[in-house]
Amino acid sequence: QVQLVQSGTEVKRPGASVEISCKASGYIFTDYFIHWVRQAPGQGLEWLGWINPNSGGTDYARKFLGRVTMTRDTSISTAYMELSRLTSDDPAVYYCARVHLGSDSSSPFDYWGQGTLVTVSS
Amino acid sequence: EIVLTQSPATLSLSPGERATLSCRASQSVRGYLTWYLHKPGQAPRLLMYDASNRATGVPARFSGSGSGTDFTLTISSLEPEDFAVYYCQQRSSWPLTFGGGTKVEIK
Repeated sequence: QVQLVQSGTEVKRPGASVEISCKASGYIFTDYFIHWVRQAPGQGLEWLGWINPNSGGTDYARKFLGRVTMTRDTSISTAYMELSRLTSDDPAVYYCARVHLGSDSSSPFDYWGQGTLVTVSS
Repeated sequence: EIVLTQSPATLSLSPGERATLSCRASQSVRGYLTWYLHKPGQAPRLLMYDASNRATGVPARFSGSGSGTDFTLTISSLEPEDFAVYYCQQRSSWPLTFGGGTKVEIK
């Protein structure tokens, strides 16, 4: 069965970077775009960007340009999202999600990771 | 970017009642509107895509309608597991955006 398993809770200082991993199983990793979405406390869902695991191509939300980097390691079917220069606006649960139609970057998300809590505290 | 406005923010209903959730877009998203269900501590779940198509395994009590700027998610008869937050999301143009959510709570 399809699964996306994310890395665990992170506690970071302001100004630091955080990298979250998302390990895929149960399907061909390179056939489906992966997106990253976050939910800040008491807030709604916010899209950060996507990565094409096949080509490594990415597209990021303008808000995060220059701070977010999405990469992948096809040998271990894992996608990564790094967010740098963390501030008090960045604490959230971060999710990776797989698109429903592999070749369509904007296809709805049919499988999600369990979420990774990121706390930013001095 | 396209702003999605969901209403009401909170819907207080009893099991067995009908729920009608609205999502309005700041500009046309054609039919590219998705609905997710989100429970605390869980990952969101895909319910409906392209306005009116139920995702795999979604019960028939869920239905979606609309096009352009106005969309509706209807739950014909609420089951206990349906009490959650519902988000709409558009994929008509980048960046992808989500609505603020509607919380369906037990009355």
